[in-house]
Amino acid sequence: EVQLVESGGGLVQPGRSLKLSCAASGFTFSNYYMAWVRQAPKKGLEWVATISTSGSRTYYPDSVKGRFTISRDNAKSSLYLQMNSLKSEDTATYYCARHVRYPDYFDYWGQGVMVTVSS
Amino acid sequence: DTVLTQSPALAVSPGERVTISCRASESVSTLMHWYQQKPGQQPKLLIYKASNLASGVPARFSGSGSGTDFTFTIDPVEADDIATYYCHQSWNSDTFGAGTKLELK
Repeated sequence: EVQLVESGGGLVQPGRSLKLSCAASGFTFSNYYMAWVRQAPKKGLEWVATISTSGSRTYYPDSVKGRFTISRDNAKSSLYLQMNSLKSEDTATYYCARHVRYPDYFDYWGQGVMVTVSS
Repeated sequence: DTVLTQSPALAVSPGERVTISCRASESVSTLMHWYQQKPGQQPKLLIYKASNLASGVPARFSGSGSGTDFTFTIDPVEADDIATYYCHQSWNSDTFGAGTKLELK
């Protein structure tokens, strides 16, 4: 059974940093692209980052480019999201998701972790 | 960015057929996918590449379309289908629609 378990969320002040983790199990982690998708309170879904199988390629929307960094450790079946220079608009539930390439959809999602950016 | 427009909410009764639309601001070929999200839960993939049923998803769910106009159908609706449904395009980066909330009449 595919499982994705996020951790590392919490309350953080604007301008500070936070690192999220996602522990994967039930599949060969190194064979899949992985992604982070977030959802602000009472709002829709927003793609945040994607990483290739080896970690050599990463992709971001303009809203987080330069502030967020996605990475992975295939030996530990773990995905990470380093978030710097956090803003109030980054407040959201962050989901780790398995990304199926071609045609590029998210077939499994974690339960999510809440990040609140507030002073 | 490719903008996806969905109707905000629909009211249905169990046993009815319901169709949710998603219109893209530019062509996304068939790279449109649909997810179900129940309150307090993570999204769940239902349909990928416009019309393909994800593993374990009942055949009551279906999708169609290409280019800019897509539809997602539940027939018949069951009470457990009450949720918010999101379309997602992956042709031009990744964007989601704002979601369509399915409510009981």
